[in-house]
Amino acid sequence: KNEVEQSPQNLTAQEGEFITINCSYSVGISALHWLQQHPGGGIVSLFMLSSGKKKHGRLIATINIQEKHSSLHITASHPRDSAVYICARREGGNQFYFGTGTSLTVIP
Amino acid sequence: KAGVTQTPRYLIKTRGQQVTLSCSPISGHRSVSWYQQTPGQGLQFLFEYFSETQRNKGNFPGRFSGRQFSNSRSEMNVSTLELGDSALYLCASSLARGGRALYNEQFFGPGTRLTVL
Repeated sequence: KNEVEQSPQNLTAQEGEFITINCSYSVGISALHWLQQHPGGGIVSLFMLSSGKKKHGRLIATINIQEKHSSLHITASHPRDSAVYICARREGGNQFYFGTGTSLTVIP
Repeated sequence: KAGVTQTPRYLIKTRGQQVTLSCSPISGHRSVSWYQQTPGQGLQFLFEYFSETQRNKGNFPGRFSGRQFSNSRSEMNVSTLELGDSALYLCASSLARGGRALYNEQFFGPGTRLTVL
């Protein structure tokens, strides 16, 4: 059973729009990770969160431990943000459980 | 600093054969994890190696195995290949495991795309 749920599965946005991707999990975590995967397969780690909020450029990630929920926000979206965004919960060392991913397309 | 490298990048095998994939972590990284990605199941954790020892294992049959060498390089092996083993196999390395969060940031390799005919 996949204990990490992401929404939406697919998202199309106009360039410049504010985007939110949500992630919910059902059990405790050591940390919550957000990953970005571009066509061709390469995966980049965007954020690691165990509490609060982190910001990197136009990307913001938040987590609410009590509600077991995390969000990834993209401000002023750009076509180069088009990718699959995956959240993953980490427990016990480096054992990961992944969400199914959100496919984002940003149209110029 | 060189990133995580995986060889080969593409591989075609037939059912019943076995395959060995290789992963070289970032220099100084001691933890190597392996993942399988398929369109149907998404990303799934296979196993993690640290200091030449398997530390965690995902829910995969015994046909999937791995090892880590003293230089932290890792190999994974799949025996008696099945059609369903066709997937992108990714490895990721991190400085360490547990402890400070910084140690657990995962750096992914480009993957090996395995096709089983």
